[in-house]
Amino acid sequence: QITLKESGPTLVKPTQTLTLTCTLSGFSLSDAGVAVGWIRQPPGKALEWLALIYWDDDKRYSPSHKNRLTITKDTSKNRVVLTMTNMDPVDTATYYCAHSPTGRAFDIWGQGTMITVSS
Amino acid sequence: DIQVTQSPSSLSASVGDRVTITCRASQSISTFLNWYQQKPGKAPRLLIYTLATSQSGVPPRFLQSGVPSRFNGSGSGTDFTLTISSLQPEDFATYYCQQSYTTPYSFGQGTKLEIK
Repeated sequence: QITLKESGPTLVKPTQTLTLTCTLSGFSLSDAGVAVGWIRQPPGKALEWLALIYWDDDKRYSPSHKNRLTITKDTSKNRVVLTMTNMDPVDTATYYCAHSPTGRAFDIWGQGTMITVSS
Repeated sequence: DIQVTQSPSSLSASVGDRVTITCRASQSISTFLNWYQQKPGKAPRLLIYTLATSQSGVPPRFLQSGVPSRFNGSGSGTDFTLTISSLQPEDFATYYCQQSYTTPYSFGQGTKLEIK
């Protein structure tokens, strides 16, 4: 059974760097074709795609946030980490990580973690 | 970047109704348009997806395992629809489309389906 779980701080101050960890279970990010993505959702608003990392370490980013985002994987620890620098209150959202068997659609999602940016 | 415009933003319907939600892409995306359902406080659930294949022709569209057959996705190029043939009480939720033709991927703005 594939599961993903996000973890990280619940509260971040403006200008700080957010580090989120997605712990993977039931699959490996070394499996050919597999990818893990990060998607966020501000309260009451739509989903926004942020970043994607493939099994072969190819990485893709939203150009809206590209200079602020870094996605990495640690296959040995079954983790994917997303860092977002220079956090702002508009970055307040629920952040999801999600599994993609082919790097396109997201079939299994984590429960999400709510991040509030406030001083 | 490819933009995806979803309509309507909200929709009221009754159990048993047939409803259609539309997504339009800012450029051709073949059939690479996925659909998700989201209920309040929950993560999105994949309903319909498109697979890239090594064969020529239109990439096929699939219903995710466990999704009822009353959900149907159609369209290609820039115009797509999600149709629910006979609404059930558990279908009242928010629906999102997502283009997966090329990164950066993008989601539609969502359609909130409410009970009339």
